[in-house]
Amino acid sequence: NAGVTQTPKFQVLKTGQSMTLQCAQDMNHEYMSWYRQDPGMGLRLIHYSVGAGITDQGEVPNGYNVSRSTTEDFPLRLLSAAPSQTSVYFCASSLRTGQQPQHFGDGTRLSIL
Amino acid sequence: GQQVMQIPQYQHVQEGEDFTTYCNSSTTLSNIQWYKQRPGGHPVFLIQLVKSGEVKKQKRLTFQFGEAKKNSSLHITATQTTDVGTYFCAGGGYQKVTFGTGTKLQVIP
Repeated sequence: NAGVTQTPKFQVLKTGQSMTLQCAQDMNHEYMSWYRQDPGMGLRLIHYSVGAGITDQGEVPNGYNVSRSTTEDFPLRLLSAAPSQTSVYFCASSLRTGQQPQHFGDGTRLSIL
Repeated sequence: GQQVMQIPQYQHVQEGEDFTTYCNSSTTLSNIQWYKQRPGGHPVFLIQLVKSGEVKKQKRLTFQFGEAKKNSSLHITATQTTDVGTYFCAGGGYQKVTFGTGTKLQVIP
């Protein structure tokens, strides 16, 4: 099992550009989530999904969109990148709920110029 | 919204000294999880506590969940250089999990 796979590992964007961060898991987990990590602020929940076709907002959803067309994939879209979105992004999954142990991907380090 | 705070934010210890990080929630938690993130890495699940007053041990690590289920602590006995990293607690609702701000541990050999 590969676990949770995130691509790309690094990305530099210009302000206003859009892009999609990819996340895939091969553990047949129902719950998937996206977090951003900024210095001194821990991990903040952006969006989460409890199964294919179901998504909901987390703590900091503005500027991001998600979809969950399959159990395996949970892409995160930046619609119009802003410097404030410079961060490290982690995707995670757990068996059914957010209260169960989450498995994290290696992260995407994103810089917005 | 729910807030989960951790103290201290940073801790430097000499190798062999003990270390404790504290996690405090603004609301009662149904359970609490602890994660460790090595420098440049991703968070890795350590343990989950569910019951009021629960204490669990993993080798040199001792985890406690408060009686009111609003606080928790992680204690490391006789730290080693392999303990370096940031320790996060996490708790909250059934679907929305709130992570603490983390405690960064540096161990001086």
